[in-house]
Amino acid sequence: AQRVTQPEKLLSVFKGAPVELKCNYSYSGSPELFWYVQYSRQRLQLLLRHISRESIKGFTADLNKGETSFHLKKPFAQEEDSAMYYCALRDNAGNMLTFGGGTRLMVKP
Amino acid sequence: NAGVTQTPKFQVLKTGQSMTLQCAQDMNHEYMSWYRQDPGMGLRLIHYSVGAGITDQGEVPNGYNVSRSTTEDFPLRLLSAAPSQTSVYFCASRLTGRKVNTEAFFGQGTRLTVV
Repeated sequence: AQRVTQPEKLLSVFKGAPVELKCNYSYSGSPELFWYVQYSRQRLQLLLRHISRESIKGFTADLNKGETSFHLKKPFAQEEDSAMYYCALRDNAGNMLTFGGGTRLMVKP
Repeated sequence: NAGVTQTPKFQVLKTGQSMTLQCAQDMNHEYMSWYRQDPGMGLRLIHYSVGAGITDQGEVPNGYNVSRSTTEDFPLRLLSAAPSQTSVYFCASRLTGRKVNTEAFFGQGTRLTVV
């Protein structure tokens, strides 16, 4: 069974500070990993996916198969980054998308 | 472009009542799914469908039924509502398999309270 763990329910930082939202997974196959974000009063939306190796809104995430992690990082947090962040894993068949418990990021001025 | 549309946005039910949460998408996505979002537990998959006429159970299917008679619609039915089903429900759709750009698109959510 696949599982995604986000150990921090809440992460509070000051504007300009570095941010790292942790995500660990367990899956027997080769995973596809994603970060989704939900801003206040908006629907859940894709932030980035590991396969694209992209940087979106200054965020990056590297898949570390040895540590089974996919942590989300940003060197300088902005107030508009305040949101709920979900790490998600998709199985080999591309059917089951499993989410972690989510981390609420609060960026204080 | 409407994307994924859920109705209603809010609903209050009494224990034992039944109701159907509606979900429709206009992107011709084969895959549709229902999640429930509870504090500290993230989004948990209830049921999903990889195409019209095909449905399967997710992580927490008990108490819920689904059907997929068309590509566009994927209703979620609560046969006999229980307080434990108080939650925010999200419908999502995407292309199937491992195609490029298989981003999941979410509806705005339905906040359900069972009293």
